Amino acid sequence: ILNVEQSPQSLHVQEGDSTNFTCSFPSSNFYALHWYRWETAKSPEALFVMTLNGDEKKKGRISATLNTKEGYSYLYIKGSQPEDSATYLCALWRSYNTDKLIFGTGTRLQVFP
Amino acid sequence: ETGVTQTPRHLVMGMTNKKSLKCEQHLGHNAMYWYKQSAKKPLELMFVYSLEERVENNSVPSRFSPECPNSSHLFLHLHTLQPEDSALYLCASSQVSTSGGREQFFGPGTRLTVL
Repeated sequence: ILNVEQSPQSLHVQEGDSTNFTCSFPSSNFYALHWYRWETAKSPEALFVMTLNGDEKKKGRISATLNTKEGYSYLYIKGSQPEDSATYLCALWRSYNTDKLIFGTGTRLQVFP
Repeated sequence: ETGVTQTPRHLVMGMTNKKSLKCEQHLGHNAMYWYKQSAKKPLELMFVYSLEERVENNSVPSRFSPECPNSSHLFLHLHTLQPEDSALYLCASSQVSTSGGREQFFGPGTRLTVL
């Protein structure tokens, strides 16, 4: 069974705090890693698609790093704001000739004003 | 708006009913997906259609029957469901190419309750 693990399951932080969470995956048969942001009552929305070991991507205050050799990715949020409150999902894409994403259970972030 | 719409947004049905979920994408993508989100579980892939051909069927019971009449539309036909099938059903689309890895665009989901 192929598992994509995310930790922590949930996180409560104060506005202005920086935070980070982890996605772990089997390092064999890696093709790409996706991060999605899922706000309550909305659709999941892609943040990053990462493919290369050592990749670092940034979108505003959110950034992500990738280590394919050890099988993990970190998502960082600098200076959290209440609008960052959402569930953050990572998903593993194992091979270019499959259309299948394997999702983790997500990290639920709550930012208090 | 992600460019992927789903109807209905909420559905309550009895175990003997037949109903269908509809998904439409306005992004010109060539692949569409059905996912199931149950409480405290990861998003589970159910079906994938790539270029209107079903390429993945993730051991889903036959009471769920997908249909992809063209690249913009995807249906999930439901019949004789069980209460444990109650979940959020999400549709997604993507543009799959030889380079792969493209992000998926999700609809808002249909919240299904089976009584």
